[in-house]
Amino acid sequence: NAGVMQNPRHLVRRRGQEARLRCSPMKGHSHVYWYRQLPEEGLKFMVYLQKENIIDESGMPKERFSAEFPKEGPSILRIQQVVRGDSAAYFCASSRRRDSGNTIYFGEGSWLTVV
Amino acid sequence: EDKVVQSPLSLVVHEGDTVTLNCSYEVTNFRSLLWYKQEKKAPTFLFMLTSSGIEKKSGRLSSILDKKELFSILNITATQTGDSAVYLCAVHPSQGGSEKLVFGKGMKLTVNP
Repeated sequence: NAGVMQNPRHLVRRRGQEARLRCSPMKGHSHVYWYRQLPEEGLKFMVYLQKENIIDESGMPKERFSAEFPKEGPSILRIQQVVRGDSAAYFCASSRRRDSGNTIYFGEGSWLTVV
Repeated sequence: EDKVVQSPLSLVVHEGDTVTLNCSYEVTNFRSLLWYKQEKKAPTFLFMLTSSGIEKKSGRLSSILDKKELFSILNITATQTGDSAVYLCAVHPSQGGSEKLVFGKGMKLTVNP
């Protein structure tokens, strides 16, 4: 049973380019969460999605960032016109249902470097 | 704003030592507190605590929650080099349908042979 799969694991982008990070949840999981981890900082919640719905995007920057979780395919976190401050590790997590607490499983992260 | 504070932020010990990691929190509506271990990759789940005074144990690791004083501790006895990692504490607030976790900055533990 594969875990949460994220790709790419490492991504380098020049300032102004777009970054697309993909997340395939665990089999049977329909809830996806994205977190960002800056150097020397803890994980910060960005967005919570179910299939075709954004449930909570209170942690998403207002501009340049968007997320989707289509009916088919992985969840996508998209960052347009990247800046150096976007350099971070982006973790995706999934769960089978809400109120999952200990059954939220994390992927191994996508490390974005903006040069 | 919900907040989680971990202390110390880093610790270096020798194999065999016992360590205690602290986590204090402020949250509007508390649902649970979680501990994760992160070794340069995916955070892996350790414990979920919802009730005060009930110790959770897993091998050499144990954890307890005090909802009156708003803190939790994670104990690791007889530490091994494989315990070297960042330990994350997170609170799961109960906020109208949101499932977000609020994390502390993490505590970097280094266990030297």
